[in-house]
Amino acid sequence: ETGVTQTPRHLVMGMTNKKSLKCEQHLGHNAMYWYKQSAKKPLELMFVYSLEERVENNSVPSRFSPECPNSSHLFLHLHTLQPEDSALYLCASSQDGTSGSSNNEQFFGPGTRLTVL
Amino acid sequence: AQTVTQSQPEMSVQEAETVTLSCTYDTSESDYYLFWYKQPPSRQMILVIRQEAYKQQNATENRFSVNFQKAAKSFSLKISDSQLGDAAMYFCAYYTSGTYKYIFGTGTRLKVLA
Repeated sequence: ETGVTQTPRHLVMGMTNKKSLKCEQHLGHNAMYWYKQSAKKPLELMFVYSLEERVENNSVPSRFSPECPNSSHLFLHLHTLQPEDSALYLCASSQDGTSGSSNNEQFFGPGTRLTVL
Repeated sequence: AQTVTQSQPEMSVQEAETVTLSCTYDTSESDYYLFWYKQPPSRQMILVIRQEAYKQQNATENRFSVNFQKAAKSFSLKISDSQLGDAAMYFCAYYTSGTYKYIFGTGTRLKVLA
């Protein structure tokens, strides 16, 4: 275990549904990330939060909405998704690299396997 | 923009043998880090080894070592005495110091043959 948990592990949803993915880290890190992992493609960085402030948003469609209520929790709210959004969604955390005090290692959760019908 | 390229989608190695996974990257930055992550089937991605760009000495972690060629922008991973548990997807990643940007390659699937 890496100290990062994600729920649910599997999710099947219709295009009109609304669902949320949850990530929790128990490592005392202050930066959290959402990635999308699709087959044969590089991990796509979606969102980054540092100290609960969003610092990166890589042109992600508005049907994905992140929320970071505190430094230990990160959510990804989903609505009106498309079949091409089916993928493994990974959460990661790290000690904020901009502080100069970390080793810049990211710790990953197990992922949520999302299928959009 | 920084890019990471892993040109080997899949590799195989006999148990107890040595295998090298390739990674090249492109950047104009001077202060950065490079990583190899391992993602076993249906399990969490974990760090295998990291290299600071300012260090000339290649990083080693037990059976894992890297060949870091900064001028050539090459960062290969050597796995010695391969074990069945080494079977996984291996991702090369780049990180620019002072940012939040981690750039990953497409991965190399390593099969270990008994």
